[in-house]
Amino acid sequence: GENVEQHPSTLSVQEGDSAVIKCTYSDSASNYFPWYKQELGKGPQLIIDIRSNVGEKKDQRIAVTLNKTAKHFSLHITETQPEDSAVYFCAARLYNFNKFYFGSGTKLNVKP
Amino acid sequence: DTEVTQTPKHLVMGMTNKKSLKCEQHMGHRAMYWYKQKAKKPPELMFVYSYEKLSINESVPSRFSPECPNSSLLNLHLHALQPEDSALYLCASSQDSSGNYGYTFGSGTRLTVV
Repeated sequence: GENVEQHPSTLSVQEGDSAVIKCTYSDSASNYFPWYKQELGKGPQLIIDIRSNVGEKKDQRIAVTLNKTAKHFSLHITETQPEDSAVYFCAARLYNFNKFYFGSGTKLNVKP
Repeated sequence: DTEVTQTPKHLVMGMTNKKSLKCEQHMGHRAMYWYKQKAKKPPELMFVYSYEKLSINESVPSRFSPECPNSSLLNLHLHALQPEDSALYLCASSQDSSGNYGYTFGSGTRLTVV
């Protein structure tokens, strides 16, 4: 199966700074990589995703990059705000298999 | 409607009780999922329903019994649970079961087994 590693486990930044969360995956057959944000007491919310035929995708302050050769992908949040504070999970899906393998999560704390 | 609704939000049950968790979506999604999430851990897949048929069971103990009465509803029947089954139970849906789409998760049911 797939193995997804996520770093760091906790990240503390000052409001307005950028935050970067990195994930690596093991199976080169993985081709879809979503990112989820989970606030306290809520379910995970899809915030951005990227497919293996794309190297980068951006949505306002959030961007994701994918390096297929190195088998890693990253979430970039610019101009962080206190409401960005949450746990973020990366995930990977093997081609033609409806199961996501989640990373262990990153707790992001944005200090005002 | 872009939500997955789960009820109840909180549930406390004894080890001899029978209870059910409910999940509903009206987005026309044809795949629905049950996940279990322990504190400070990622969600773990339990069951996948595709077009109202069970397609994946991740070797879940039989004390958890899923049911999909129609394309909008998903239930999880609980019986004779153990304290270690206490967790957040998340329902999710996706457009189809191809895995090409991200999930929409509900807010979960916080289950405590006493």
